[in-house]
Amino acid sequence: DTGVSQNPRHKITKRGQNVTFRCDPISEHNRLYWYRQTLGQGPEFLTYFQNEAQLEKSRLLSDRFSAERPKGSFSTLEIQRTEQGDSAMYLCASSLKRQDTQYFGPGTRLTVL
Amino acid sequence: DQQVKQNSPSLSVQEGRISILNCDYTNSMFDYFLWYKKYPAEGPTFLISISSIKDKNEDGRFTVFLNKSAKHLSLHIVPSQPGDSAVYFCAATITYSGNTPLVFGKGTRLSVIA
Repeated sequence: DTGVSQNPRHKITKRGQNVTFRCDPISEHNRLYWYRQTLGQGPEFLTYFQNEAQLEKSRLLSDRFSAERPKGSFSTLEIQRTEQGDSAMYLCASSLKRQDTQYFGPGTRLTVL
Repeated sequence: DQQVKQNSPSLSVQEGRISILNCDYTNSMFDYFLWYKKYPAEGPTFLISISSIKDKNEDGRFTVFLNKSAKHLSLHIVPSQPGDSAVYFCAATITYSGNTPLVFGKGTRLSVIA
């Protein structure tokens, strides 16, 4: 399977706990994006990387959120001190530089109790 | 301030007929538009795209039309099949300044009735 993969697919946590999600992009893709989708909404941009450099962050990305892409391969998104409002589907997408189509992974469904 | 709007939350169509999903945008800087299809508990799947230099792009049963003056695009599915039942998202981006994040509409749920 050469698509975008995300782990875990589901995560249930208690409020105040930290969680970390992983995304493995399509192997030759150098751009990687994180989006969040809540019920009844389209995906909303969080942040993106070109290789290992984090180029843009949305205002949605509070200081409790941090993302990394060491060595320009897989990426992790960490949420510290989770809140119930963080419950959402977290989506990762990747694309080639200069290519305009982004390909999405299956997402990680986070539920904060 | 929603820059990409899908004003119909749902659409129901008979199998074999045409499905038309609409999308409006407000940012005239958008120059590349995409449609994604999403099943429950899965990520969006890319369907078809169109650059602002074109007014039509076709791929099998799917055709996207772009009307730049009206800032409107539509996705036509002909003929509609039960497997097309899903949520369809319209997305837009600005490409000339480098890859920018996609801006999505809220989606339209399409139900194709056999």
